[in-house]
Amino acid sequence: GESVGLHLPTLSVQEGDNSIINCAYSNSASDYFIWYKQESGKGPQFIIDIRSNMDKRQGQRVTVLLNKTVKHLSLQIAATQPGDSAVYFCAERDDKIIFGKGTRLHILP
Amino acid sequence: EAQVTQNPRYLITVTGKKLTVTCSQNMNHEYMSWYRQDPGLGLRQIYYSMNVEVTDKGDVPEGYKVSRKEKRNFPLILESPSPNQTSLYFCASRAERNQETQYFGPGTRLLVL
Repeated sequence: GESVGLHLPTLSVQEGDNSIINCAYSNSASDYFIWYKQESGKGPQFIIDIRSNMDKRQGQRVTVLLNKTVKHLSLQIAATQPGDSAVYFCAERDDKIIFGKGTRLHILP
Repeated sequence: EAQVTQNPRYLITVTGKKLTVTCSQNMNHEYMSWYRQDPGLGLRQIYYSMNVEVTDKGDVPEGYKVSRKEKRNFPLILESPSPNQTSLYFCASRAERNQETQYFGPGTRLLVL
């Protein structure tokens, strides 16, 4: 069936290094993808999005890459900070939005 | 401040005792949703509403009801809660169905004994 998933449930990154969080999707008809950040005790927060007619989009310290050939989405966070510690999950939209299960980003001092 | 609010934030109840979780948004959004979040399963949509008096089932509607009598409010009703409804619930809203940015509430953690 259609699903959105993440390769790693937990990612540990040294403070100051770049973080790369990956996501695989299976619905080739999805036309829009979103990354969310969820801090402990809070609701998901929109980070960045990308449409299927693009392969890269940059925000402030974040970049999303889309590879439609292999149905892969990634979120890159530059110069990871302690405040980046959270669960990150991707979502895809075809007729409806389907959320991935999430990757926990852990920042090492 | 644009926000989605939920109440209560935490609730412990017993099987069969009806409860309502309220959701309110101050952004005049048409589209609202309820999700539950469970470990290993991610966010799953329970119900959604495209406008006042227009609601529809999401992926996991069993055991839940909603109503949309006014634009800003979208309560989630559990007529007879069961332990498998123990979960973290999120309300969300966006301007319209195809508008991408969705705003989530802070969550309601429910424990059904």
